[in-house]
Amino acid sequence: DAKTTQPPSMDCAEGRAANLPCNHSTISGNEYVYWYRQIHSQGPQYIIHGLKNNETNEMASLIITEDRKSSTLILPHATLRDTAVYYCIVRVASSSGNTPLVFGKGTRLSVIA
Amino acid sequence: DGGITQSPKYLFRKEGQNVTLSCEQNLNHDAMYWYRQDPGQGLRLIYYSQIVNDFQKGDIAEGYSVSREKKESFPLTVTSAQKNPTAFYLCASSSGNRGNSPLHFGNGTRLTVT
Repeated sequence: DAKTTQPPSMDCAEGRAANLPCNHSTISGNEYVYWYRQIHSQGPQYIIHGLKNNETNEMASLIITEDRKSSTLILPHATLRDTAVYYCIVRVASSSGNTPLVFGKGTRLSVIA
Repeated sequence: DGGITQSPKYLFRKEGQNVTLSCEQNLNHDAMYWYRQDPGQGLRLIYYSQIVNDFQKGDIAEGYSVSREKKESFPLTVTSAQKNPTAFYLCASSSGNRGNSPLHFGNGTRLTVT
């Protein structure tokens, strides 16, 4: 089962920041938080991931609370193209190789003009 | 362009036939994965392979088979034993030199079995 909890849906006005929350209260010390999004009928797109520090790239920012039990993905200026299902995933970092991602149902973000 | 190629985009088969879905990557990634997605649902893991000639079952491996004879290829066969094969199938890959490398996905094959 997925180890994260996300709201099923959210709306955001175009041009405003979209803040997508995720709870992962049982996260372990060697587990990363990943965010992906999926636009209808396409493969999931990697957005960002982090362990405990806040991260930023050209797509988004990831804010992880100090206790690591929750995080927020921030899209600073949402556009209509950001309408998608957003998945928050916790994944163990194994020194023996790559482990699969376990997907939940995600948050359906609708950006409104 | 570097990436993951899944073909075909749409596939139609009659019930009782085996069908093989193609997944090729030119990213030099060690690990490859197959997921299934049903309407309105998240992705579920079918099989994954961390290295050539080795693979592990995921959560829903029954009725599926895979092979990993080459690093760049990870074909999935949907057998007649799979009771509900109609779904959207997604392939992914990740590099094997770090345990936290992101997965990169192809654009999927939509299989319809009638």
